[in-house]
Amino acid sequence: EDKVVQSPLSLVVHEGDTVTLNCSYEVTNFRSLLWYKQEKKAPTFLFMLTSSGIEKKSGRLSSILDKKELFSILNITATQTGDSAIYLCAVEGVRAAGNKLTFGGGTRVLVKP
Amino acid sequence: DTAVSQTPKYLVTQMGNDKSIKCEQNLGHDTMYWYKQDSKKFLKIMFSYNNKELIINETVPNRFSPKSPDKAHLNLHINSLELGDSAVYFCASRNRASGNTIYFGEGSWLTVV
Repeated sequence: EDKVVQSPLSLVVHEGDTVTLNCSYEVTNFRSLLWYKQEKKAPTFLFMLTSSGIEKKSGRLSSILDKKELFSILNITATQTGDSAIYLCAVEGVRAAGNKLTFGGGTRVLVKP
Repeated sequence: DTAVSQTPKYLVTQMGNDKSIKCEQNLGHDTMYWYKQDSKKFLKIMFSYNNKELIINETVPNRFSPKSPDKAHLNLHINSLELGDSAVYFCASRNRASGNTIYFGEGSWLTVV
C-alpha cells in the first residue's frame, strides 16, 4: 500500500523565520509528488515534482525531490502570517486501473507576528 | 466561475438519514474524484471516475454510492448515515491524459448527529 509520511506534525515560527517541511514516501510506480497548501477550505496546488534534484521555486517557496532516498522538502523563507496553513504532500502512483494520489497527514504551520 | 463546485457546503443531519453531495467541474477534465478528510486532516481517496466509468473504488462501505451522469458531474450518495461519516468530503478533477494537477472543490462539511 502506498504511504506518505510528513514531518513535523506541526510547528510554530515567527515572521521572518525559515521553515523546512519534510515528506517521505513509499509508492508503487512513482509518477509525481505534489505539495498543496490548505487554509480554511480546499487544498490549493503549490508544486508538482517529477525529477530528482531539480528545485522548483515560487516566490518564497521552493521544493525539491530526491527519488533515490524517497523524500521531498518544502522550504518557506521569510515567513509571513499568511503562510499559516496545513501543508499537504501527495504522491501519485501509476496503476493499470487508474493513477492514485495518496496524501500524507499534513504539517500544520503557524506563523506568529 | 468556480472550477470545481460542490453542494451543499455544509450539511448537518441525523444518524440513519440518506443524503447526497453533488459535484460539478467546468474544466473539461475527464477524471473526477471523491476524497474524505477526517478530523486528523488525512485526505483519503474514496472513488475515481474516468469518462463516467468507475476506475478506483477504495475500501468504502456500501452505504456510499457514487454516480456520474456525465464527465462533468460526480455525485456522492450516502445511505444510513453514521456518526463516523462526519468529515469534509472533497470533490476533485483532473485531465488524466495530460497529467495535470488535481483541482479540488471547496469541500462539503458533513456533520452527523
